[in-house]
Amino acid sequence: AQRVTQPEKLLSVFKGAPVELKCNYSYSGSPELFWYVQYSRQRLQLLLRHISRESIKGFTADLNKGETSFHLKKPFAQEEDSAMYYCALLNAGGTSYGKLTFGQGTILTVHP
Amino acid sequence: DAGITQSPRHKVTETGTPVTLRCHQTENHRYMYWYRQDPGHGLRLIHYSYGVKDTDKGEVSDGYSVSRSKTEDFLLTLESATSSQTSVYFCAIKGQGPGNTIYFGEGSWLTVV
Repeated sequence: AQRVTQPEKLLSVFKGAPVELKCNYSYSGSPELFWYVQYSRQRLQLLLRHISRESIKGFTADLNKGETSFHLKKPFAQEEDSAMYYCALLNAGGTSYGKLTFGQGTILTVHP
Repeated sequence: DAGITQSPRHKVTETGTPVTLRCHQTENHRYMYWYRQDPGHGLRLIHYSYGVKDTDKGEVSDGYSVSRSKTEDFLLTLESATSSQTSVYFCAIKGQGPGNTIYFGEGSWLTVV
């Protein structure tokens, strides 16, 4: 079974501080991992995916297969980063190919 | 937005009545998903489809059924709505193959009274 865990429901930081949103996964195959952001109950928007190894809005995430983690990081948080963040795992091989599972989400609040 | 629309966007219905939510796409993507979003639970997968007439259950499929008779439409049906199914429902689509971006609809707010 595939599973995504985001241990922090709420995370508060001050503007300019570093931020790390944690994501751990459980999956035996070759996963594709993503981070999505949602502002004020709008539709989810793709922030990052591990295969592209890009940086969006200053956020980065590295897949650590040994620790089965895909933590999201930003060195200097901005107030506009306040939102709900979801980590997601896509089954990219084997049975249930294409199944997409999300974590419980982390609400990030950046204080001025 | 990848041409994905959900309907209705808002609905209030009574307990015990059937409800159908529609997800429509114009991009010919193979994979389509239905999720519900609830505080404290995040996004939970209800059902997904990997082609016409090909569907599979997610983690919270009880009380829900789906149908996909053509590529562009993925219907979610609550056969007999209950108050516990009050939620925001999101549809998503994905193309076949690695690296395909996943797009989400704007959500359908369902209230069961």
